[in-house]
Amino acid sequence: QSALTQPSSVSGSPGQSITISCTGTSRDVGGYNYVSWYQQHPGKAPKLMIYEVTNRPSGVSTRFSGSKSDNTASLTISGLQAEDEADYYCHSYTSTTTLGGVFGGGTKLTVL
Amino acid sequence: QVTLRESGPALVKPTQTLTLTCTFSGFSLNTSGLCVSWIRQPPGKALEWLARIDWEDDKYYSTSLKTRLTISKDTSKNQVVLTMTNMRPVDTATYYCARTTMFRGLTHDYWGQGTLVTVSS
Repeated sequence: QSALTQPSSVSGSPGQSITISCTGTSRDVGGYNYVSWYQQHPGKAPKLMIYEVTNRPSGVSTRFSGSKSDNTASLTISGLQAEDEADYYCHSYTSTTTLGGVFGGGTKLTVL
Repeated sequence: QVTLRESGPALVKPTQTLTLTCTFSGFSLNTSGLCVSWIRQPPGKALEWLARIDWEDDKYYSTSLKTRLTISKDTSKNQVVLTMTNMRPVDTATYYCARTTMFRGLTHDYWGQGTLVTVSS
């Protein structure tokens, strides 16, 4: 059982926008601006898409954006493209474990 | 250019000890704020953080696995080694090493390709 809760799946049509939620507690998501998001295509390693809630690493499309409200962080993908179909994981710093951080259970994004 | 690569056995028997090596380039583990983490992913399941070693040689372990894990580094070789004792079939997973930045709230910004470890007799 993952410490952060994500929907198991979301879907959208090309060109649409989707949002993936990541719910934690005040001891992780709500307590720190240290949420990151990772994209993982089948058989590939995860790729950092968002860090510190809202920041995009160099090279990541501006179609990807992050936000947070209370204990829930969100990843929004606008202008959906077929290549966005992948699994997405959130991650947060947490004060409840040995300073390791916690992952969400992952969300499968299907582009219809 | 930052790269990481995991190496180790693809198959281990139950009760054996697993030793994985992460060889990296493009950064130094002597740099303040930088760490290397190990993260695993059972087939079809979510990511799970295992351990981390930082620039000051401080070590951190998953609470649920800490009795079985040991992480160490050889800065001169740019390598980080993870050992996991008493391997079980449920430990079958792809094991990743990743660069972790403390000053970005433990963001894992670069990942290795992963190595699949199967535990079976």
